[in-house]
Amino acid sequence: QSVLTQPPSVSAAPGQKVTISCSGSSSNIGNNYVSWYQQLPGAAPKLLIYDNYKRPSGIPDRFSGSTSGTSATLGITGLQTGDEAVYYCATWDFSLSVHWVFGGGTRLTVL
Amino acid sequence: QVQMQESGPGLVKPSETLSLTCSVSGGSISGFYWTWLRQPPGKGLEWIGHIYNTGTTKYNPFLKSRITISLDTSKKQFSLRLSSVTTADTAVYYCARDNGVTAIDFWGQGTLVTVSS
Repeated sequence: QSVLTQPPSVSAAPGQKVTISCSGSSSNIGNNYVSWYQQLPGAAPKLLIYDNYKRPSGIPDRFSGSTSGTSATLGITGLQTGDEAVYYCATWDFSLSVHWVFGGGTRLTVL
Repeated sequence: QVQMQESGPGLVKPSETLSLTCSVSGGSISGFYWTWLRQPPGKGLEWIGHIYNTGTTKYNPFLKSRITISLDTSKKQFSLRLSSVTTADTAVYYCARDNGVTAIDFWGQGTLVTVSS
């Protein structure tokens, strides 16, 4: 059971837009920055979004992030088959002891 | 560009200690949190802990009693020791860099460690 809740899977057609939600609480998303990671099959995770909405160098602006209260959302526009991956949200959690927590991951299928 | 590479045994016996090392190249050790994470087969990511370049550590509270993370700045390496392993510790172990607790910005390729007799 992950501290952050994500839908197990989403799907959309090439060229379409998809959003992935990440739900937490005041001890994590509500008071800390959220980051998002893309894990392609057989590869290590890769940073997509940090500080809720910022993109590292090299990440296209098709990827966007936002937060509202204790939830965060990753948006991907202009879907490509190469976007098929598992996406994870993450942030710090203060409930027990300060530590990173992750969502369970959302598998994106581009139909 | 920062690169990171994990090394260590791929097979560990139950009740023994898992030991991994991460070598860092292409960047400075200073000012960052050097991090271990893991991913059991077919499952999600779990943060294990990190060490700052001053040697200060922070561990996952659910694993804390079994974890030791150390840093050798002269070699630009940091290490993980996880004691009393069980089959539940079988996972791909990643070393990574935390840029200051807002993002984990560079990751190693990961190394599979299997706990089995």
